[in-house]
Amino acid sequence: GNSVTQMEGPVTLSEEAFLTINCTYTATGYPSLFWYVQYPGEGLQLLLKATKADDKGSNKGFEATYRKETTSFHLEKGSVQVSDSAVYFCALGNQAGTALIFGKGTTLSVSS
Amino acid sequence: GAGVSQSPSNKVTEKGKDVELRCDPISGHTALYWYRQRLGQGLEFLIYFQGNSAPDKSGLPSDRFSAERTGESVSTLTIQRTQQEDSAVYLCASSRGDRGGGEKLFFGSGTQLSVL
Repeated sequence: GNSVTQMEGPVTLSEEAFLTINCTYTATGYPSLFWYVQYPGEGLQLLLKATKADDKGSNKGFEATYRKETTSFHLEKGSVQVSDSAVYFCALGNQAGTALIFGKGTTLSVSS
Repeated sequence: GAGVSQSPSNKVTEKGKDVELRCDPISGHTALYWYRQRLGQGLEFLIYFQGNSAPDKSGLPSDRFSAERTGESVSTLTIQRTQQEDSAVYLCASSRGDRGGGEKLFFGSGTQLSVL
């Protein structure tokens, strides 16, 4: 069945460091891929998405490229800020319109 | 309302009691989802409603769990004879329900359930 695997956390970085959070998926067909973020004390919200191969989703300085050949959707940011500290979830949406499948989440802590 | 609303925000109950959790989706959203987030774990899919279609109940962990939705509005998740392992944050989300899997989910703040 469909599944999402993302790197274990926590990830601890200094401000302005480069961030990569790995995400790989297993799916039939051509799913859509998402990154959701959960800031402390807030609900999950969509960060970015990509709906087909080679698409790049971007938002708030974060980017992720849908790589069909490696079944990956790694999240990157060139220079993290303290305000980026949150839990990041990779998710997959099957084209049949069923519920999104989420990874286990990766906690990012950025210190000044 | 402006967003997905869940109530109560916190619920403490004794083992063996039944609990009901409520979700008010965004008006006009035809799709509604329930997820569970145990401490230190990812989001676990429970159940999905899409319009008038039969709900996808494939994620419900046992027959103690059930959910209903009235039309395209409020949903209630019921857990009967609660167990300590049911302790978790229960998240509700809604979306416009566009088919194709590319829709954006809007999440509520969740209900923190603690079973003593």
